[in-house]
Amino acid sequence: GQNIDQPTEMTATEGAIVQINCTYQTSGFNGLFWYQQHAGEAPTFLSYNVLDGLEEKGRFSSFLSRSKGYSYLLLKELQMKDSASYLCAVRGGYNTDKLIFGTGTRLQVFP
Amino acid sequence: DTGVSQDPRHKITKRGQNVTFRCDPISEHNRLYWYRQTLGQGPEFLTYFQNEAQLEKSRLLSDRFSAERPKGSFSTLEIQRTEQGDSAMYLCASSSPGQGSPLHFGNGTRLTVT
Repeated sequence: GQNIDQPTEMTATEGAIVQINCTYQTSGFNGLFWYQQHAGEAPTFLSYNVLDGLEEKGRFSSFLSRSKGYSYLLLKELQMKDSASYLCAVRGGYNTDKLIFGTGTRLQVFP
Repeated sequence: DTGVSQDPRHKITKRGQNVTFRCDPISEHNRLYWYRQTLGQGPEFLTYFQNEAQLEKSRLLSDRFSAERPKGSFSTLEIQRTEQGDSAMYLCASSSPGQGSPLHFGNGTRLTVT
């Protein structure tokens, strides 16, 4: 079966650091993606991990451990505009290119 | 790169009616995906195409749903005999080949079935 778990909601303060965790159980693995989605808008691509380790892109970093079926998205120097849902998605399964999404983590940043 | 465009943005229909949505992908992308999203949930996979070939269709998708991509460019998603449970945001996405290629999403079509 396919299962992706993320916390439903998180809150943080402007300027702080927040870590959003994602665990997955899929029948195959060809990479993990993080997307940001503001209310009423389309998801936008943030990061991609296929090998173990940390990928850094500006204020955002993403980590992957394939043996643990675990990833996290790290957001530094939080800004009010970072208030959004963050979606973890796995390209998994045999002979497929579809992404399987988690339910998303709604992050609220307070001043 | 004009992005993925979807039409219409909003559709209100009565239960039992048929609806059709259109998606125009990024021109150089050969893969096209349809997802459905309800409030507070992540996108749920419906189907995807590589060029004009429909490669996979979700087992959750009833026979009332059909998608086409006749010339490998734009795609249509049709829902026949709509039900209230079909109310959702329908998202289209496209991507290049390659396992690391991200999906680029359109702004979606919001369907309300009354």
